[in-house]
Amino acid sequence: AQSVSQHNHHVILSEAASLELGCNYSYGGTVNLFWYVQYPGQHLQLLLKYFSGDPLVKGIKGFEAEFIKSKFSFNLRKPSVQWSDTAEYFCAVNRPLDTDKLIFGTGTRLQVFP
Amino acid sequence: KAGVTQTPRYLIKTRGQQVTLSCSPISGHRSVSWYQQTPGQGLQFLFEYFSETQRNKGNFPGRFSGRQFSNSRSEMNVSTLELGDSALYLCASGPELEDEQFFGPGTRLTVL
Repeated sequence: AQSVSQHNHHVILSEAASLELGCNYSYGGTVNLFWYVQYPGQHLQLLLKYFSGDPLVKGIKGFEAEFIKSKFSFNLRKPSVQWSDTAEYFCAVNRPLDTDKLIFGTGTRLQVFP
Repeated sequence: KAGVTQTPRYLIKTRGQQVTLSCSPISGHRSVSWYQQTPGQGLQFLFEYFSETQRNKGNFPGRFSGRQFSNSRSEMNVSTLELGDSALYLCASGPELEDEQFFGPGTRLTVL
């Protein structure tokens, strides 16, 4: 079945540590890729997206992600996390040529301690 | 521009009842999608509408239905509510089908 996998379910870091959250998808062909964030008590917000072009994508709040087509991956990174990055992070994929719905991963809960 | 709005924000129903949730997309957006978010299942796609037509439907029973109006506003309906329908229901809109989606704050449905 087509799916999006986020292998890290819960990540705990100290401030200033580096972050990498994994995202793998099982679709072939053209895909659009997204990372969303949901801060406690708030609604989903887009962090960054990849449609085409440079596979290294810069997003808001210092986040970036790299699309590696050969590995079907779109990992999220941040060099130095802050306490305010505590949130749930969702990877999502859609296939514009086949179906237009967004398929989400199960999410990764990030806790950053000062 | 105003964001995606969803009404009501909170709802408590009992088993067997039905419920209608409303979503107003960002002005000019024609695509509206609905998602269910639960702690156990995460975010799951319900359905997507574009220009009043349902384009895709997720793997949910027929008790879940929706529609989109000519002004792009959308409603989703759940009939014969079950305890497991308790969730946060999210609506997202986008300018076109393939574009980035913008999410609303959600409607928190509790079924007792």
